[in-house]
Amino acid sequence: GIQVEQSPPDLILQEGANSTLRCNFSDSVNNLQWFHQNPWGQLINLFYIPSGTKQNGRLSATTVATERYSLLYISSSQTTDSGVYFCAGKAAGNKLTFGGGTRVLVKP
Amino acid sequence: EAGVAQSPRYKIIEKRQSVAFWCNPISGHATLYWYQQILGQGPKLLIQFQNNGVVDDSQLPKDRFSAERLKGVDSTLKIQPAKLEDSAVYLCASSLAPGTPGANVLTFGAGSRLTVL
Repeated sequence: GIQVEQSPPDLILQEGANSTLRCNFSDSVNNLQWFHQNPWGQLINLFYIPSGTKQNGRLSATTVATERYSLLYISSSQTTDSGVYFCAGKAAGNKLTFGGGTRVLVKP
Repeated sequence: EAGVAQSPRYKIIEKRQSVAFWCNPISGHATLYWYQQILGQGPKLLIQFQNNGVVDDSQLPKDRFSAERLKGVDSTLKIQPAKLEDSAVYLCASSLAPGTPGANVLTFGAGSRLTVL
């Protein structure tokens, strides 16, 4: 299966700040998703983005499939954005593999 | 629409005991997944079902873990006997059948947290 690496591992933000989270994957993927795990452990799907750019409110994501990375942008961060952000990728014929996550703490 | 239901939410057992977790996916979702999430790590796929058939169980420790989805709807994951390293959150997820619009998007349940003492 593919390897998925996320950076940075930890991020502390002041409320209102912007940030970029990165996900690198070791092989070409046909499925790339971003998830947010809230402090209570619930995983919520943010984006299905095997290529291109998508936006949902203050969040947006870009995947450059040819260069094997994806970026998640958080703008005007709020305390409710705290939690762990995971990306997960899947190459053809393989299983969806999660990265180790980026732990985000937004301070008021 | 109702989400993915899991029970129990928490379970504490002694090592060598057995435990079972239950999952009811979103209605109409043909694909069901069980993931293991150890503290501080990303989820790891244990087993994937397509209706009542197993698609991938390559990372399931078959000497102690078993899972079934007999009628292609709800599923049970069992651990027997449990080891200390099985302490984790067991997440169930579901998705639409392959080829269906939106089939690539997984919806997760709240998880079942297992502590093995």
